Amino acid sequence: TQLLEQSPQFLSIQEGENLTVYCNSSSVFSSLQWYRQEPGEGPVLLVTVVTGGEVKKLKRLTFQFGDARKDSSLHITAAQPGDTGLYLCAGENTGTASKLTFGTGTRLQVTL
Amino acid sequence: NAGVTQTPKFQVLKTGQSMTLQCAQDMNHEYMSWYRQDPGMGLRLIHYSVGAGITDQGEVPNGYNVSRSTTEDFPLRLLSAAPSQTSVYFCASSYRIWGRKGNEQFFGPGTRLTVL
Repeated sequence: TQLLEQSPQFLSIQEGENLTVYCNSSSVFSSLQWYRQEPGEGPVLLVTVVTGGEVKKLKRLTFQFGDARKDSSLHITAAQPGDTGLYLCAGENTGTASKLTFGTGTRLQVTL
Repeated sequence: NAGVTQTPKFQVLKTGQSMTLQCAQDMNHEYMSWYRQDPGMGLRLIHYSVGAGITDQGEVPNGYNVSRSTTEDFPLRLLSAAPSQTSVYFCASSYRIWGRKGNEQFFGPGTRLTVL
């Protein structure tokens, strides 16, 4: 079983602070996705990275895929209360389209 | 479009009871999956389907059955519920684009199941 470990598991910060969430594995993935989940709802896709070393920006969120395609990071600049939620990384296994392995999750709380 | 719908939203079962969690999508997606979400463990794949009539096991299939008779529906059956199956269950669907990696999965709102 391929595992994706996320760190930290919990993060409570104040509005305006920066943070980084890590997603690590010993396995290689063909692509890596990041989802955000709000209470009582299903996860919603934020971004997909497919190339080793790829960096994608979504407003204040910056996503990076490791060169070896085994790890990824999510950096949020100047966090806002609206960023609060559960962040999940998900790796797509090579050769098995749409079969995802999800990370353990990072619960982020941003307070005023 | 309603997207991915799941029923019921909440369910309480007694040990040994059986039930079916319903999932439907109206986006004509070929791929559908069932996940369970437990605290500190992210989402774990139970069963998935790459098209009508085709299903396969995921990471944690024991105690669950699925079938896919139509593109739209993908029900999950618990044959004899156990307390270890207390969890939140999510159904997801995605499209397939040949040669493209990382196709987005669309999730339903979840079913919160408690087994006493």
